Amino acid sequence: DTAVSQTPKYLVTQMGNDKSIKCEQNLGHDTMYWYKQDSKKFLKIMFSYNNKELIINETVPNRFSPKSPDKAHLNLHINSLELGDSAVYFCASSQPPTGVTGELFFGEGSRLTVL
Amino acid sequence: KQEVTQIPAALSVPEGENLVLNCSFTDSAIYNLQWFRQDPGKGLTSLLLIQSSQREQTSGRLNASLDKSSGRSTLYIAASQPGDSATYLCAVMDGGSQGNLIFGKGTKLSVKP
Repeated sequence: DTAVSQTPKYLVTQMGNDKSIKCEQNLGHDTMYWYKQDSKKFLKIMFSYNNKELIINETVPNRFSPKSPDKAHLNLHINSLELGDSAVYFCASSQPPTGVTGELFFGEGSRLTVL
Repeated sequence: KQEVTQIPAALSVPEGENLVLNCSFTDSAIYNLQWFRQDPGKGLTSLLLIQSSQREQTSGRLNASLDKSSGRSTLYIAASQPGDSATYLCAVMDGGSQGNLIFGKGTKLSVKP
């Protein structure tokens, strides 16, 4: 069983479109995250959710919005896609850092290409 | 603002060698430090997690050390194998950041048979 799963793995779309990437974790973790890995392979936090509450929101354009229907899911919605949004997006989950270990578990990534 | 640096950016060694990857961070107020492995086109696999109160962690041929006061961590790989070829990422979790991992840019390791 995959602990953190993302769909789709690959997504190719036109500028201006709206798209979503789904993430599910079966680890029973309380916190989920979205990270972006740019063309230079640099990973940076975008969002994290703890018990349906956004607790980190770095300087990410408001075209990006995380949505959490329940504790096991954190989906990423992107509106009006731009060329610069092309990247690999990783979902991750963890217990709260003040809880057990704070270890993060990552999904396999979703490669978004905007044409 | 926390910054994480990994040296070298790339490393090529013959099979069987022992090697050390370096990671440094600017703010010692961290909650923990994690080492990950990333294979091309794949996700991140957690290798070792060191809590701020710990000095080292070991898993098989891997040993990670942490010196919080000097802002350094090393990942030691013993008896390297071609299957160890991957990019190794170091990440620190800031003490007050509620789980925000700050990553280095990684060391790309190539182990030649």
